[in-house]
Amino acid sequence: RKEVEQDPGPFNVPEGATVAFNCTYSNSASQSFFWYRQDCRKEPKLLMSVYSSGNEDGRFTAQLNRASQYISLLIRDSKLSDSATYLCVVNLTSNTGKLIFGQGTTLQVKP
Amino acid sequence: DARVTQTPRHKVTEMGQEVTMRCQPILGHNTVFWYRQTMMQGLELLAYFRNRAPLDDSGMPKDRFSAEMPDATLATLKIQPSEPRDSAVYFCASGLVRIVQETQYFGPGTRLLVL
Repeated sequence: RKEVEQDPGPFNVPEGATVAFNCTYSNSASQSFFWYRQDCRKEPKLLMSVYSSGNEDGRFTAQLNRASQYISLLIRDSKLSDSATYLCVVNLTSNTGKLIFGQGTTLQVKP
Repeated sequence: DARVTQTPRHKVTEMGQEVTMRCQPILGHNTVFWYRQTMMQGLELLAYFRNRAPLDDSGMPKDRFSAEMPDATLATLKIQPSEPRDSAVYFCASGLVRIVQETQYFGPGTRLLVL
């Protein structure tokens, strides 16, 4: 079993749609959680951290459920520019810096 | 705008040749990571350094791969001899870890093709 699992998609949605991605992690001792975004042929970039209480950044909302070892990302009012691969990322211990990346979920927003 | 830089950006080589990839982390960052990304395996951590000391290289094939940080401004990843299965994008990332993990910043990657 992979340490971080995501549905690879692709998710094809029209502009303006709401889309949700899910991710599960296997190690209950995981300390911190992130969503990274990777555009085609580019490097991954931090989209947002995920906090236990849930957090929102504009059209993006991240949720964490420690009991179920489950992380989600909700994108509202999708834009064409949201088309990318979204990587779920877990850090086992906060002070090592060692991140475990999921395979990524591909989103394609259509006009 | 501080960035992680990597050279070369692209490399095509023949099987058996030595490949050296270089990374300049963001000034002031104390942790440097090497990742490999392929379609099949996704993003895998190969090795990482804290304050130039290797912390974990368990993700790296030891017989042919080596990673070093000769100084705070340069990290290298070497493959000798290279094999076709090493073809991938190799990313370097740097970050600042104090009490807790802060953001990792990735370089643009080196696209390696071994024929």
